[in-house]
Amino acid sequence: NAGVMQNPRHLVRRRGQEARLRCSPMKGHSHVYWYRQLPEEGLKFMVYLQKENIIDESGMPKERFSAEFPKEGPSILRIQQVVRGDSAAYFCASSYTGDTEAFFGQGTRLTVV
Amino acid sequence: EDQVTQSPEALRLQEGESSSLNCSYTVSGLRGLFWYRQDPGKGPEFLFTLYSAGEEKEKERLKATLTKKESFLHITAPKPEDSATYLCAVQAYAGGTSYGKLTFGQGTILTVHP
Repeated sequence: NAGVMQNPRHLVRRRGQEARLRCSPMKGHSHVYWYRQLPEEGLKFMVYLQKENIIDESGMPKERFSAEFPKEGPSILRIQQVVRGDSAAYFCASSYTGDTEAFFGQGTRLTVV
Repeated sequence: EDQVTQSPEALRLQEGESSSLNCSYTVSGLRGLFWYRQDPGKGPEFLFTLYSAGEEKEKERLKATLTKKESFLHITAPKPEDSATYLCAVQAYAGGTSYGKLTFGQGTILTVHP
């Protein structure tokens, strides 16, 4: 049973381009979370999704960022018109329910040049 | 606002030298406290969940304990392969419904020298 799968592992985008980060949760998990880890900072919660629904997006920047978790397929974190400050490691985690432990993927390292 | 503070920021130990990492927290209603290990360039690896004061959990050389205000991660006779960043996180209740959101501390960077 594969763990949480994120792709790509590394992504380079020029300022103004769009970045799409994908996350496939562990088998049987229907709860997905996205976190961001900026250089020299801790993990910060961004958004919590359950199939086709956004449960909590209190950590998402108001502009340029969006997330979805469709009925079929992976969860997508989308960043429009990227800026250098978006450079960070983005981690996805999944859990069986909202109450159980979350397991993390290996992350996508976004570099904006 | 939920807050988690970990200390020390960095800890250097000799192989076999036991020590403890601290995680202090303030949360409106604690649903669970989580410990993770993170190696450079990797995602956090789940270690323990603690739910109530007085609870303890062990895994190999690691033991996690919980009080009403803090948690400790005790490392007994560490080995170089225990070197990593250890992260503490809390999950809070809100209005009787638990949310999956975790609030993380900054982590403690542990280095174990042979």
